[in-house]
Amino acid sequence: KAGVTQTPRYLIKTRGQQVTLSCSPISGHRSVSWYQQTPGQGLQFLFEYFSETQRNKGNFPGRFSGRQFSNSRSEMNVSTLELGDSALYLCASSLSWGLAGETQYFGPGTRLLVL
Amino acid sequence: DQQVKQNSPSLSVQEGRISILNCDYTNSMFDYFLWYKKYPAEGPTFLISISSIKDKNEDGRFTVFLNKSAKHLSLHIVPSQPGDSAVYFCAATYNQGGKLIFGQGTELSVKP
Repeated sequence: KAGVTQTPRYLIKTRGQQVTLSCSPISGHRSVSWYQQTPGQGLQFLFEYFSETQRNKGNFPGRFSGRQFSNSRSEMNVSTLELGDSALYLCASSLSWGLAGETQYFGPGTRLLVL
Repeated sequence: DQQVKQNSPSLSVQEGRISILNCDYTNSMFDYFLWYKKYPAEGPTFLISISSIKDKNEDGRFTVFLNKSAKHLSLHIVPSQPGDSAVYFCAATYNQGGKLIFGQGTELSVKP
């Protein structure tokens, strides 16, 4: 079974631009979560989607948004990019949502560099 | 406020010996804990998990122990192998939610 896939793997943008990252979950998984990893802040939760609805949100500004499609694929968007948005963006999928003991499986990440 | 803490940024162990990675948490609401292994520029790989209703879970060379009264969990790797060298993250979640809260990670180096 294929794992979580993320595209693109690497991205270079300039300040003020916007970016869209894509995530395809493991087949059969219906929940998708997004995380940001930076050297200073570590791994931080961005948001989680299930059945095309945002179920949970982390402490990030409104410039960070996401959505989920009917096939469970998800995208996240960052508008008006800042230098501090340079990070590894990770997508994780799990079978469902709201069940105890759900394990999240991560994709390889998208490395975003903002110049 | 860091709810999940891994106080050792690094650990060096000889091949064949036991590696013990520690994690402390502050939120008593956490009910599910996970360990992930991560190589640079890759996503975390799930290793093992434990529910708060258990105190031990084993999977091959990996064992996780949970001490709820001390709000402490540990990952034991026996025997350690050079391929185990990576950064290990503990994570916790609660209320059947998908929000994982991660520790800062411990870099394990297993020397031949």
